[in-house]
Amino acid sequence: GAVVSQHPSRVICKSGTSVKIECRSLDFQATTMFWYRQFPKKSLMLMATSNEGSKATYEQGVEKDKFLINHASLTLSTLTVTSAHPEDSSFYICSVRDRVTGELFFGEGSRLTVL
Amino acid sequence: ELKVEQNPLFLSMQEGKNYTIYCNYSTTSDRLYWYRQDPGKSLESLFVLLSNGAVKQEGRLMASLDTKARLSTLHITAAVHDLSATYFCAVGFKAAGNKLTFGGGTRVLVKP
Repeated sequence: GAVVSQHPSRVICKSGTSVKIECRSLDFQATTMFWYRQFPKKSLMLMATSNEGSKATYEQGVEKDKFLINHASLTLSTLTVTSAHPEDSSFYICSVRDRVTGELFFGEGSRLTVL
Repeated sequence: ELKVEQNPLFLSMQEGKNYTIYCNYSTTSDRLYWYRQDPGKSLESLFVLLSNGAVKQEGRLMASLDTKARLSTLHITAAVHDLSATYFCAVGFKAAGNKLTFGGGTRVLVKP
C-alpha cells in the first residue's frame, strides 16, 4: 500500500487564489519531508525541505512567501501556493525518507492548473 | 556544483533487445536511486544503491554503481512494451545534506 498520501491529486483554480496541497506520511513518522516541482517532460526540481516544528528550508530561487510550507506534525506537511498565477501550473510531488533504510517514498503528486 | 547527468535523454527500443541508461554525477555521494515515472503519475522506486560495486536486479532491470567513476547504469534486458516510461536517477550528495539531485530523465519507448 501507499506509504505517502498526497491530496488533492488534481486542482484547478483561478489566478489570484490560494491552493493548499497536503502530504501525509502513512507508515512512519517523518521529521523531514521534501517538496518537488515538475514541469511537463522535465525532471524534478527540489523546492524546499519541510522540517517538523520549524521553518522550511527553501532552495535558491524559490519564493518563500509564495510557496508556504507548514509541517505541523510528524505525519503531515502542507504546501500552499499563494496568489496563484498561470506560471505556477505544474506537477507538485512530496517525498518522505525512511530514516532506517534511507529509501525515499514519493506521494502520488498534485497537478495544479491555474487559469 | 552538484550535477547529475543522464543519457540518453530519449531511447527508442525494440522488443527483445538490450539497452543501457547511464547516470554520471559530479561529486561524492553515499546513495543513488533509480525511479520510474509513467505519464501523469508520480515516481515509483526501482533501486537504491548504497555502495561501490552494488548491483541490484528486478525482473528485466539491473542497476549497478561505480562510485570511483561516479557512474551508475540501468540495464534493460530483452525490452518489452511494459517498460515504456521515463526513468530517473537521483543522487544524494553529502555536501547538500543528502538532499536528492535528479538527472534529466530518460524517456524510453519500447516498440513492438
